[in-house]
Amino acid sequence: DTEVTQTPKHLVMGMTNKKSLKCEQHMGHRAMYWYKQKAKKPPELMFVYSYEKLSINESVPSRFSPECPNSSLLNLHLHALQPEDSALYLCASSQSSVNEQFFGPGTRLTVL
Amino acid sequence: GQNIDQPTEMTATEGAIVQINCTYQTSGFNGLFWYQQHAGEAPTFLSYNVLDGLEEKGRFSSFLSRSKGYSYLLLKELQMKDSASYLCAVRDTNAGKSTFGDGTTLTVKP
Repeated sequence: DTEVTQTPKHLVMGMTNKKSLKCEQHMGHRAMYWYKQKAKKPPELMFVYSYEKLSINESVPSRFSPECPNSSLLNLHLHALQPEDSALYLCASSQSSVNEQFFGPGTRLTVL
Repeated sequence: GQNIDQPTEMTATEGAIVQINCTYQTSGFNGLFWYQQHAGEAPTFLSYNVLDGLEEKGRFSSFLSRSKGYSYLLLKELQMKDSASYLCAVRDTNAGKSTFGDGTTLTVKP
């Protein structure tokens, strides 16, 4: 298995909702990442997990809460989002934090 | 922090060669990656440079000069499917943290 999977593909939520994005990889990678990408812009790093521990938080608002239950799974819990949070959320993994990253297809999030 | 510059758009002809440049000014450097991103899809890894010189991978090559803060991606024998955005990403000395340039949108014409 050489891919990163993300669910759901699309998500529409209201500002008072709570939802979660899920990411999974079975390549034995020990680093996992969340990025946010707006249209015609590059991915912006949000969080990095290395060996299941949060190693980087790029000053992301607390309405985004990451979780790494085990080495294959990465979640992003969403609560009280704003319309400006609408974007493509990409998960990536790498063998370690110094290797190239493999990206999942993303979850396209719309906040109403 | 990182400051990364790439041309916004480039156009080339099928079968030709195109060079996409990337310049960077960084507080720390620990490698440079090139990714390809087709519209509506996720980025895919193309190449990686950490030492000066040229890395070749089939139709794609990437060059790095650390002293000049400069890299380029060379695409040979262009195909229509090479129309995509090409992202230069610089990895910080804080491993795991890569900053992406704004990307270069390449259009390949018949």
